[in-house]
Amino acid sequence: AQSVSQHNHHVILSEAASLELGCNYSYGGTVNLFWYVQYPGQHLQLLLKYFSGDPLVKGIKGFEAEFIKSKFSFNLRKPSVQWSDTAEYFCAVNRGGTYKYIFGTGTRLKVLA
Amino acid sequence: SAVISQKPSRDICQRGTSLTIQCQVDSQVTMMFWYRQQPGQSLTLIATANQGSEATYESGFVIDKFPISRPNLTFSTLTVSNMSPEDSSIYLCSVTGGGYEQYFGPGTRLTVT
Repeated sequence: AQSVSQHNHHVILSEAASLELGCNYSYGGTVNLFWYVQYPGQHLQLLLKYFSGDPLVKGIKGFEAEFIKSKFSFNLRKPSVQWSDTAEYFCAVNRGGTYKYIFGTGTRLKVLA
Repeated sequence: SAVISQKPSRDICQRGTSLTIQCQVDSQVTMMFWYRQQPGQSLTLIATANQGSEATYESGFVIDKFPISRPNLTFSTLTVSNMSPEDSSIYLCSVTGGGYEQYFGPGTRLTVT
């Protein structure tokens, strides 16, 4: 069965530190890849997405993610985090041509001011 | 992106009762989805609701427990029937965007006592 793994469940960083959150999926075919963010008290928002083309995608608020097909990975990065990045981050995958999402278990990021 | 509202935002219900959750979208959409997020876990797709047809349920979810209505292209309801404490979750609806991305409502936090 398809699955999505996020290895870091809780991450604590100081402001200006660099961030990398891991995401691996288990499906060998064409996939669409997403990162969502949920800020405290708010609903899920799309951070960035990958459908095809350049494997390095840029999203909102300075986030980027790199799709490495050989590693079945779609890691999220930000060079310098801010206190306002404190949130829960979800990786999601759907098979190409379908709308059904498989979500990872989420990573809670806390950024210390 | 679509603007999605849900009612109620939260509720506390007694076991054995039912709750109907409403999802309203500010534009016409073909596909709507219902998810469940149990405490400490990721989002799990319950069903896909297309206007004019029966909802399609995922493995582990059945129509008798989670009946869904989709009377038009901007509205859907999910009923959680004969509730037990295990149904305590956040229930979210979502819609597709122009591509394969989804946009989520704010969620309904259900507590069953």
